[in-house]
Amino acid sequence: GIQVEQSPPDLILQEGANSTLRCNFSDSVNNLQWFHQNPWGQLINLFYIPSGTKQNGRLSATTVATERYSLLYISSSQTTDSGVYFCAVEGYSTLTFGKGTMLLVSP
Amino acid sequence: DTGVSQNPRHKITKRGQNVTFRCDPISEHNRLYWYRQTLGQGPEFLTYFQNEAQLEKSRLLSDRFSAERPKGSFSTLEIQRTEQGDSAMYLCASSGPTGGSRNEQFFGPGTRLTVL
Repeated sequence: GIQVEQSPPDLILQEGANSTLRCNFSDSVNNLQWFHQNPWGQLINLFYIPSGTKQNGRLSATTVATERYSLLYISSSQTTDSGVYFCAVEGYSTLTFGKGTMLLVSP
Repeated sequence: DTGVSQNPRHKITKRGQNVTFRCDPISEHNRLYWYRQTLGQGPEFLTYFQNEAQLEKSRLLSDRFSAERPKGSFSTLEIQRTEQGDSAMYLCASSGPTGGSRNEQFFGPGTRLTVL
């Protein structure tokens, strides 16, 4: 099956800093999604981005499908950005998740 | 609230008991998925329905697990003879709408199972 690797596994930032999270995947995909998992376990959709670049407020994402990677950018981080960020890819019909990046933003 | 809902949110049971979880997808979605997440890991796929048909099952879904979606709307996931290793967060997701090519999945809040 498809392998998904996320880096870094952990990230600690001061409030206001910028960060880049990376997702590498091992095969061609039909779909790529970024999620933020809050402390209660809810997965919140950030981006549906099989290719190209999208922006939503302080967050943006880029997927280069031909090179099998995606990047999530967080600018001017806030303490509420803390949590686990997951990349998930769909090969045929179901999502394969990476292990996530745990982000802690301190005041 | 038109999101995916799951019940119960928490379940504590003793080893050997049976448990059943329910998922109500977003109303216009025809695809429904079950995933399991253990501590420190990403969610792992268990099974997938398109309307009432169960189209795919993971090897993680042992014989003790069964899922149904009888009328193509809500789904249930039953675990028989629970084991301590079944302790996890069980997540449901849905996608659609019917005929659409975009397969963005939306997740419910999960059911956290603890087997004592």
